[in-house]
Amino acid sequence: AQSVTQLDSHVSVSEGTPVLLRCNYSSSYSPSLFWYVQHPNKGLQLLLKYTSAATLVKGINGFEAEFKKSETSFHLTKPSAHMSDAAEYFCVVQAAGNKLTFGGGTRVLVKP
Amino acid sequence: DAGVIQSPRHEVTEMGQEVTLRCKPISGHDYLFWYRQTMMRGLELLIYFNNNVPIDDSGMPEDRFSAKMPNASFSTLKIQPSEPRDSAVYFCASSFDPNEQFFGPGTRLTVL
Repeated sequence: AQSVTQLDSHVSVSEGTPVLLRCNYSSSYSPSLFWYVQHPNKGLQLLLKYTSAATLVKGINGFEAEFKKSETSFHLTKPSAHMSDAAEYFCVVQAAGNKLTFGGGTRVLVKP
Repeated sequence: DAGVIQSPRHEVTEMGQEVTLRCKPISGHDYLFWYRQTMMRGLELLIYFNNNVPIDDSGMPEDRFSAKMPNASFSTLKIQPSEPRDSAVYFCASSFDPNEQFFGPGTRLTVL
């Protein structure tokens, strides 16, 4: 069985400050991990993915995430938030098979 | 490529009516996924196909829901009869590599 826990349902940051979105997972297998972003009234877009290569993964729009097996974490960061980063972010785990398990989502608010 | 295409984008219907949601995957993708997103339950996988064959339908809520994929470029999700609790956003996603799914814009269904 696999599960994903996003530790914050809402995160509020000021424009230009760092963003940290926390994600912990559990999986019986070596998982693939993803972060997706969903802007209002839009579909989900892949930000980045980890598939057992480098533990530090760089994605689009300046985001990156670090896979830490010892902590079963895959936190998403960005050094400097932009207004366009306001969206909902989903941490996702894929273990055996092709099924994705989604976290509950973290809604990011960026203040000017 | 136009990406994953879903229609309609919005559907409002009355309880008891039949609802059909449509999806055109990205050309060349051989996996197709149907998801449902609600505030209460987040994103849930309903069913997925590989090469037009249903592989896992364990997420389909009940017999009122059915999905078909008659060919590689088209899939439908049908609800008959619809109920107010079916109100949600339904996403279709496709992929060539199951590690990276591309999502459509979604269909927002409201059942009155």
